[in-house]
Amino acid sequence: AQSVTQPDIHITVSEGASLELRCNYSYGATPYLFWYVQSPGQGLQLLLKYFSGDTLVQGIKGFEAEFKRSQSSFNLRKPSVHWSDAAEYFCAVGSGAARQLTFGSGTQLTVLP
Amino acid sequence: DAGVIQSPRHEVTEMGQEVTLRCKPISGHDYLFWYRQTMMRGLELLIYFNNNVPIDDSGMPEDRFSAKMPNASFSTLKIQPSEPRDSAVYFCASSPTGGVNQPQHFGDGTRLSIL
Repeated sequence: AQSVTQPDIHITVSEGASLELRCNYSYGATPYLFWYVQSPGQGLQLLLKYFSGDTLVQGIKGFEAEFKRSQSSFNLRKPSVHWSDAAEYFCAVGSGAARQLTFGSGTQLTVLP
Repeated sequence: DAGVIQSPRHEVTEMGQEVTLRCKPISGHDYLFWYRQTMMRGLELLIYFNNNVPIDDSGMPEDRFSAKMPNASFSTLKIQPSEPRDSAVYFCASSPTGGVNQPQHFGDGTRLSIL
């Protein structure tokens, strides 16, 4: 069965600092990987996705993520965080055959002024 | 473009009452998903439909929960009778055909509180 681990429940960074959110997955075949962001009181918004090709993918809002098969990781990065990036971030893995996504438990990001 | 529309945004009701959550997917999307989000269990898939047909309902917690999709533009999730442990945020999402790499688009959710 597929699974996703986000080891950091809560991360605090200062505005302008760089950010890396960790995601590790478990899946037997080539995974489809996603990062979503959830602002308070809202649904999840897709930041980026990976399913083949270049292992470094660019997303919206200046985010990027790198797929590393050897480490079963898909970490999310941003070189300079803005206060508006404060939100909860979810990593998810999907299978090719089924449509289900399995989500990680989320990482809450706090941005200090 | 209109996104996924869920109603109501908030629902507070007493234990034992019937609760109906509604979802309008994005036009042209033929997959629809219902999720439940709680602090304890995170985001869980309850059921999903393809072309209005339920494909996998293995995530539905028990018989008190039921979901329907009578047409391509409307789905309901019903809880009868409701219990306090059903309190959660319920999300609906839709996606177009083309494989799991097609992203799911989420509504803003219904925050359900069962007293």
